[in-house]
Amino acid sequence: EAGVAQSPRYKIIEKRQSVAFWCNPISGHATLYWYQQILGQGPKLLIQFQNNGVVDDSQLPKDRFSAERLKGVDSTLKIQPAKLEDSAVYLCASSFTGFDTEAFFGQGTRLTVV
Amino acid sequence: AQTVTQSQPEMSVQEAETVTLSCTYDTSESDYYLFWYKQPPSRQMILVIRQEAYKQQNATENRFSVNFQKAAKSFSLKISDSQLGDAAMYFCAYRSSGNTPLVFGKGTRLSVIA
Repeated sequence: EAGVAQSPRYKIIEKRQSVAFWCNPISGHATLYWYQQILGQGPKLLIQFQNNGVVDDSQLPKDRFSAERLKGVDSTLKIQPAKLEDSAVYLCASSFTGFDTEAFFGQGTRLTVV
Repeated sequence: AQTVTQSQPEMSVQEAETVTLSCTYDTSESDYYLFWYKQPPSRQMILVIRQEAYKQQNATENRFSVNFQKAAKSFSLKISDSQLGDAAMYFCAYRSSGNTPLVFGKGTRLSVIA
């Protein structure tokens, strides 16, 4: 069974530029999560999707971050414009229903804003 | 809101010895799940062990076991017969019942000394 796929693995951009990250969850998984992990901290939820609907985006900085999950499968997270403090690892995870106990994580995208 | 606290930023253990990582959490809920995740340099979060709050018996997975003290809201991880491959960041995480995301602690960096 293929795992959660994310791309790119690394990205370096200048502040005020835009960037997009892509996530392909495990086939059949209805729930998809985006987490932000700043260096030295644990992951923090940005947004949770159930199929193509948003369950929780209370911690998503909506003035600069956006996310979508078209057709309830792949998802894209965008930052525009990026700030220095957005430098972090962006992790995507998925679970079968959201009610089950295990979430599976991708390898993340390390973003550096200079 | 639920919070997870890991008070040990770094720990070290000699190969083949036993180490215990600490975790406390704060919640007013009675039904929830607790997890320990391992994050190696590859950045992918790997589930080590999970505990359902309604179960009194402590979970065990091979060399990994937990000490779950529900009244004290404590959830420590014991690694026996430590191996070089155990070196990684370890995150304690909490999840409410229902379709809810993981809440992570700040992590403990474990070094294994040969």
